[in-house]
Formats: sequence, structure tokens, C-alpha cells
Amino acid sequence: GDSVTQMEGPVTLSEEAFLTINCTYTATGYPSLFWYVQYPGEGLQLLLKATKADDKGSNKGFEATYRKETTSFHLEKGSVQVSDSAVYFCALTPGGYQKVTFGTGTKLQVIP
Amino acid sequence: DSGVTQTPKHLITATGQRVTLRCSPRSGDLSVYWYQQSLDQGLQFLIQYYNGEERAKGNILERFSAQQFPDLHSELNLSSLELGDSALYFCASSARLAGTYNEQFFGPGTRLTVL
Repeated sequence: GDSVTQMEGPVTLSEEAFLTINCTYTATGYPSLFWYVQYPGEGLQLLLKATKADDKGSNKGFEATYRKETTSFHLEKGSVQVSDSAVYFCALTPGGYQKVTFGTGTKLQVIP
Repeated sequence: DSGVTQTPKHLITATGQRVTLRCSPRSGDLSVYWYQQSLDQGLQFLIQYYNGEERAKGNILERFSAQQFPDLHSELNLSSLELGDSALYFCASSARLAGTYNEQFFGPGTRLTVL
């Protein structure tokens, strides 16, 4: 079945550091890929998405590129802020369906 | 604010009991999804309803059931509760059933504690 594997956390970075959170997936067909973010005490919010190979999703300074050859969708940000502290989930949905498979989440803590 | 509401925010109950969690989707959304988030299992998809009908089932236990009503709100019923059912339960909604992609909007969750 479909699965998403993302790097273990927590990740602790200083403000303005470069962020990478790795995500790889296993799926049949051509899934759509997402990053969701969960701020403390809140539900998940869609951060960015990519629906086909080589697409780059971007939002709020975060980027991720859909790499079919390496089945990866790594999340990057050039300069993190304290306000980026949250849990980040990589996820996929198979083409044509709405069931979303989530990774285990990576907690990011940014310190001033 | 996603537009999805969930009640109650917190629920504390005892083993063996039954509880009902409620979700109101965003205005106009026809699909409702339920997820369970626990420390050891991560975020697990439970079940999806579209316009009152069950459309997809995930890792939902037989002790759990859900339904979507004509006004599109949904309820998740958890019975014969066990300690391991303690978790955050999220509801999400989206506008359409299928397509290349429909963003899901998540509610704030209901935190269930089983003692």
C-alpha cells in the first residue's frame, strides 16, 4: 500500500538557518504530494502541494519539488523564523481519490 | 480559522464508555474525513463520507462508527472505549469527491482522554 517516510524529529535550528526535512514515498501510479503544517494546539493546514513530477510547490518561503525518479518531496526553507516552529507532515493522495496518507510528522523548533 | 468546527474540544471519559464527536464542515463542502492522531500511531485516516454516503474506509476499528447527516455535519461514535483510544480526533472537509486534487481543511480537533 501507499506509504510516506519522513525524517525523525525533533529538528532544532537557530533563527535564519537553512531547513531541510526529508520525505520519500511509496505509491502506485501518479500521486499528488503535500506538506501540511500543524502549529501548537491547532489542526493541520496545507502548506504546499505538487500534483505531477517536477512540479515545485511553494508557500511562505517553503519549497518542495516532486521528484519521481527518487520518489521524494523534500521540504526546504532558506531562512527559518521562530514562528515556523511547528510539526510538518508530508502526505500523498493517489490520483483520483481523496484518501490522504500522512507521514509521522517532523517537529521543528526554531530558537532565537 | 479553517471553517471546520468540532465539538467538544476536550473529552474525558472512562474505559468501556461510549462518546460522540461532532464535526461541521465548511459551508458548501460535501466530503468529510475523520482522522486519529496519537503519539504512537501518528496521523491515521479513519473514514470518509461524501454527501451522506460512506466513500472510503481506513484504519477504523469495529468499535467505531460514523455517519454524515442531511445537513452534512458528521458524527464519529466511539464505543467500548479503551485506554489506547486516547488521542486527538480530527475532522476535515473538502468540496468534491474526486478529481486531481481537492484540498482538505482541518478542524481544530477533539482531544479524547480515556481513564
